[in-house]
Amino acid sequence: RKEVEQDPGPFNVPEGATVAFNCTYSNSASQSFFWYRQDCRKEPKLLMSVYSSGNEDGRFTAQLNRASQYISLLIRDSKLSDSATYLCVVNLLSGTASKLTFGTGTRLQVTL
Amino acid sequence: NAGVTQTPKFQVLKTGQSMTLQCAQDMNHEYMSWYRQDPGMGLRLIHYSVGAGITDQGEVPNGYNVSRSTTEDFPLRLLSAAPSQTSVYFCASSYTLAELTDTQYFGPGTRLTVL
Repeated sequence: RKEVEQDPGPFNVPEGATVAFNCTYSNSASQSFFWYRQDCRKEPKLLMSVYSSGNEDGRFTAQLNRASQYISLLIRDSKLSDSATYLCVVNLLSGTASKLTFGTGTRLQVTL
Repeated sequence: NAGVTQTPKFQVLKTGQSMTLQCAQDMNHEYMSWYRQDPGMGLRLIHYSVGAGITDQGEVPNGYNVSRSTTEDFPLRLLSAAPSQTSVYFCASSYTLAELTDTQYFGPGTRLTVL
């Protein structure tokens, strides 16, 4: 079983739609969680951290369910500029450093 | 403030050649790392460093060497290139990684093809 699993997509949605991505992780000791965005042929960039209480940043909402080892990202009112691959990232603190494990990403294509 | 820079952006090697991928950051970050990204595999950690003079292996270290003589620079050396090393390589840095919320900043990547 992969440490971090994501549906690869692609998710093709019209502009204005709401879309949700899911991610599951296997190590219950994982301690922090992130969504990164990666545009085609570009580097990943942090989109948002994911907190147990859930957090929102404009049109983006992230949720964490530790019991089910499940992370989600909700994008409301999708824009063409949201088209990208969204990477689920899990962080496990080990000693003085951390181990980041990346999912393979979910590709989103927003269309007119 | 340039962030994380990587050179070259593209490279083609023949099997058996060696080369060094350069990475530099100007944010005074202690933690630096190298990842490779392959289709369907996600980013995988090759080597990392928690400070000048300290390096350690990640998930896929074989065939690669690193050194960290300064805080700013973290070069990745391919000792004898193999076709299996064809990939996109990303360097990343963060202030530390002991704080679980530290953001990783990635360089623009190096696309390497080994023939």
